Amino acid sequence: GQNIDQPTEMTATEGAIVQINCTYQTSGFNGLFWYQQHAGEAPTFLSYNVLDGLEEKGRFSSFLSRSKGYSYLLLKELQMKDSASYLCANQAGTALIFGKGTTLSVSS
Amino acid sequence: ETGVTQTPRHLVMGMTNKKSLKCEQHLGHNAMYWYKQSAKKPLELMFVYSLEERVENNSVPSRFSPECPNSSHLFLHLHTLQPEDSALYLCASSRNLGQTNTEAFFGQGTRLTVV
Repeated sequence: GQNIDQPTEMTATEGAIVQINCTYQTSGFNGLFWYQQHAGEAPTFLSYNVLDGLEEKGRFSSFLSRSKGYSYLLLKELQMKDSASYLCANQAGTALIFGKGTTLSVSS
Repeated sequence: ETGVTQTPRHLVMGMTNKKSLKCEQHLGHNAMYWYKQSAKKPLELMFVYSLEERVENNSVPSRFSPECPNSSHLFLHLHTLQPEDSALYLCASSRNLGQTNTEAFFGQGTRLTVV
């Protein structure tokens, strides 16, 4: 079976750092993806991890521990435009399987 | 121009209507997907196509009927839907199916309301 858990909502202030956690239990694993989705828009790709460790991409970083079934997305120097849903997804088999998403609200 | 285009963006239909959702990708990808996104629920995979062949039907009711005439186009035919089918329907494509680092590109979605 597939089970992906992430917090429903988070809040933070501009300029801060926020970490969004994701735990997964799946029957297969080909990589862990993070997507960003603004309200009314398509999900857009943020990051991908298939090996353990940290991948850094500008203000965004993603970490994976396969033995723990755990990933996090780290957002630094938060901006108002970072207010969105962040979707954790596991590629297991033929397609991406998504968590419910974490709605991040950034305030000034 | 987005790589994956969906039409219409919004659709309101009665329970006895028949309608179709259209998806077109301009990325040269071989795999296409339909997902359903309801409030407070994760994106639910509905159908998977690879090189125009359906490879997965994720226990979707028969009132949803997909069609993939070629690798660039994907349709979702709708008939006798229920109000609980109201949701955002997202189309996605990827270069290939199920390989590592196969990023999926999403369309803007069709917001469907069944009345």
